[in-house]
Amino acid sequence: TQLLEQSPQFLSIQEGENLTVYCNSSSVFSSLQWYRQEPGEGPVLLVTVVTGGEVKKLKRLTFQFGDARKDSSLHITAAQPGDTGLYLCAGAEGSNYKLTFGKGTLLTVNP
Amino acid sequence: NAGVTQTPKFRVLKTGQSMTLLCAQDMNHEYMYWYRQDPGMGLRLIHYSVGEGTTAKGEVPDGYNVSRLKKQNFLLGLESAAPSQTSVYFCASSYFRGTEQFFGPGTRLTVL
Repeated sequence: TQLLEQSPQFLSIQEGENLTVYCNSSSVFSSLQWYRQEPGEGPVLLVTVVTGGEVKKLKRLTFQFGDARKDSSLHITAAQPGDTGLYLCAGAEGSNYKLTFGKGTLLTVNP
Repeated sequence: NAGVTQTPKFRVLKTGQSMTLLCAQDMNHEYMYWYRQDPGMGLRLIHYSVGEGTTAKGEVPDGYNVSRLKKQNFLLGLESAAPSQTSVYFCASSYFRGTEQFFGPGTRLTVL
């Protein structure tokens, strides 16, 4: 069974601070997805990274896929209260029908 | 388009009771999934389906059954509910394997 470890598990910061959350595995993934889940709702896709070393930017969010396609990071610049939520990474492996989800990082951005 | 919808949103059961959770999607997706989400455990796959009439076991299938009689619907059944099945249940669908999954709003189930 492939595992995705996310760190930190919890993160509480002030508005305007920068932060990075990590998603690590000993396994290689063909692609990796990042989702954000707000309280009382289902996860919503933020981005998919496919190529080793790939960097994608979504406004103040920067996603990076490791060269070996085993790890990924999400960096948020100048965090805002609207960024509050549970951030989940999920890996897809080749012909497997399933995604492997990490346990998530619960981010709280205080005004 | 409604995306993925789940019925009901909340439910309280007594131990031993049965119930069915309904998931519907209007995106013509082939793949559908049922997850449970528990504090500190993340999303765990219960069962999934790769097309109408097919189902397969996920990571935590015990105590649950599923059916996919129509492409747009995926039903999750609990035959004899147990307190350990208290959780938030999410249904999801995707166009193809490994691609973006679209999630429903969840069903919060409490088993007393």
